[in-house]
Amino acid sequence: GQQVMQIPQYQHVQEGEDFTTYCNSSTTLSNIQWYKQRPGGHPVFLIQLVKSGEVKKQKRLTFQFGEAKKNSSLHITATQTTDVGTYFCAGPRSGYALNFGKGTSLLVTP
Amino acid sequence: DAGVTQSPTHLIKTRGQHVTLRCSPISGHKSVSWYQQVLGQGPQFIFQYYEKEERGRGNFPDRFSARQFPNYSSELNVNALLLGDSALYLCASSQPDPGQQFFGPGTRLTVL
Repeated sequence: GQQVMQIPQYQHVQEGEDFTTYCNSSTTLSNIQWYKQRPGGHPVFLIQLVKSGEVKKQKRLTFQFGEAKKNSSLHITATQTTDVGTYFCAGPRSGYALNFGKGTSLLVTP
Repeated sequence: DAGVTQSPTHLIKTRGQHVTLRCSPISGHKSVSWYQQVLGQGPQFIFQYYEKEERGRGNFPDRFSARQFPNYSSELNVNALLLGDSALYLCASSQPDPGQQFFGPGTRLTVL
């Protein structure tokens, strides 16, 4: 079955440094979604990418969907302490549910 | 508008017991999915229901069951609890078109 893998598992940065997490799927995806989960919280939707090679920006966050629609990345410019949390990518499975990666936990030190 | 609600917030059970978790979706959402999230892992898909019918089932044993009611709320039942069932159980609702999942705050289940 479809597997979604993320690297790195953990990332510790100083405030102001950039951060990138990568997501790879074993199969071609019709779309990919990104979620953020703060410590002690629940996953919150960030964005959905649908088109091959798509790039979307949300303030300091840049999301990319690979040309082959099997990989994606999330880049945060100039991290802030509010960026702390775990970032998950997720690909669709049958129906409307999702296959989540294991996530990348981001720690930002002031 | 109210978001997805789940009850209870926390639950402590002992091995062998049974548990029922409840979820109310966002008004107008007819699809409800259940996920199990073990500490340090991503959410793992358990069940999805749409219009009261099971649309998908993840790789979980038959001890796990669920149902959706006419008002689109849902219950997740787990029988014969094992220590390994300790996790955060998340409910998510969504619109019919495959798109973002709106997650509830989850139920933290501890099995002793």
